[in-house]
Amino acid sequence: RKEVEQDPGPFNVPEGATVAFNCTYSNSASQSFFWYRQDCRKEPKLLMSVYSSGNEDGRFTAQLNRASQYISLLIRDSKLSDSATYLCVASGGGADGLTFGKGTHLIIQP
Amino acid sequence: DAGVTQSPTHLIKTRGQQVTLRCSPKSGHDTVSWYQQALGQGPQFIFQYYEEEERQRGNFPDRFSGHQFPNYSSELNVNALLLGDSALYLCASSPLGENEQFFGPGTRLTVL
Repeated sequence: RKEVEQDPGPFNVPEGATVAFNCTYSNSASQSFFWYRQDCRKEPKLLMSVYSSGNEDGRFTAQLNRASQYISLLIRDSKLSDSATYLCVASGGGADGLTFGKGTHLIIQP
Repeated sequence: DAGVTQSPTHLIKTRGQQVTLRCSPKSGHDTVSWYQQALGQGPQFIFQYYEEEERQRGNFPDRFSGHQFPNYSSELNVNALLLGDSALYLCASSPLGENEQFFGPGTRLTVL
């Protein structure tokens, strides 16, 4: 079975801190990876794609380690508005559709 | 530029009934995927449509069926509803061959 595993949290983090999430995927043939953000009772929204070389978008940095089948997301200088559930996603490699993890719940505290 | 739209936003049905959910993809997108998200879980892939054909299917029973129309909009039909079908049903669209998918606001289905 092709799965994506994440720590569900919740992660309670003070505003301004740096927080890191990890996830692992079981399908070694997966080709594309993403982080989605989902606010309570809303749809998932694409946060960023994840590449082996690592990629950064403002305060967010994503990294892929294919050898360990491991994906990470780093959020620097966290804001109250970063509070959400972060979904790790793998795609391709014979899997149908996008394979989502259960999500990691982040709470930024003032 | 309208994003993905879904209707209705909420729906309440009883066990054994049938339901039809609707989705219009983002402008320029021709591929539509459907997902089921139970409370506290990540979305689970149901199936994907392109050129009015089902291209891929996840691990869902035949009670779940779909359709895509020439204008790329899509329907999800669920027959013989079970309590366990209560969930948020999400539609996502993308151009064919691209893995980035954009989600609609979802339809929240409650089965009593």
